[in-house]
Amino acid sequence: GAVVSQHPSWVICKSGTSVKIECRSLDFQATTMFWYRQFPKQSLMLMATSNEGSKATYEQGVEKDKFLINHASLTLSTLTVTSAHPEDSSFYICSAHPPGAEAETQYFGPGTRLLVL
Amino acid sequence: GEDVEQSLFLSVREGDSSVINCTYTDSSSTYLYWYKQEPGAGLQLLTYIFSNMDMKQDQRLTVLLNKKDKHLSLRIADTQTGDSAIYFCAEAGGYQKVTFGTGTKLQVIP
Repeated sequence: GAVVSQHPSWVICKSGTSVKIECRSLDFQATTMFWYRQFPKQSLMLMATSNEGSKATYEQGVEKDKFLINHASLTLSTLTVTSAHPEDSSFYICSAHPPGAEAETQYFGPGTRLLVL
Repeated sequence: GEDVEQSLFLSVREGDSSVINCTYTDSSSTYLYWYKQEPGAGLQLLTYIFSNMDMKQDQRLTVLLNKKDKHLSLRIADTQTGDSAIYFCAEAGGYQKVTFGTGTKLQVIP
C-alpha cells in the first residue's frame, strides 16, 4: 500500500527557534498533501492543504506566516514552524492521497512530535 | 461547519465484541472512514464505506451506516488486546477535506 513518511519523528527545541518537518510520499506522487495538528487526547485538526507548485491553502485561524508550507516536488512537502513557542508543542501529522486510491482515501505519516521548551 | 461526534471511551473484555459509534452532521458526505491510532503513531485506515451503502464487512470489522440518522458504527468481533487504540471516524465529501471525529479510546481487558 501507499507509504507516507515523516522526518523527524520527534524534536525538542528552544523557544524562538524554527523547526522544519518533512513529509514524503515514498511510492507515489502526490500533488496534494495535508498537514494536521493533534493536541493530546484530541482529534486531528486540518491546518493546511499543500499544493505542489503553488501556495498552500490554510484553514481559518492558522497563521500562514507562522506555519510555512513548501511543496516543491511531487513527493515532498515541508512544514516549518517559525519562531516556535511552547504553545506550538503538538503532534503534527501529514497525509497524502495517492492517485486512483479507493474511496479517495488519505494515507497518513507516522507523525512528528514537537516539544518547545 | 461539519461536526463529527464520538463517545470518548469504551472498555470491553477480550473476546467480546466492541461497538464504536459515531454521528455526523454533513449530509453531503460521500465517504465515511474508520481510522485506528496507536499511542504515539499516525493513523491507520481500517475501513471505509461509501455513503450509498448500509453495511460493509471486512473480516472482524463490520461497518453499519444509517444515512437517515447520520449514524455510523464500527463493530469489532472477538476483540483482542492488540485492538486497544483510539478509533477515529471521519467523513469526506471529497478528499480535499476530511473531518475527523473526537476519537474513541478502546480499552481491551485481558
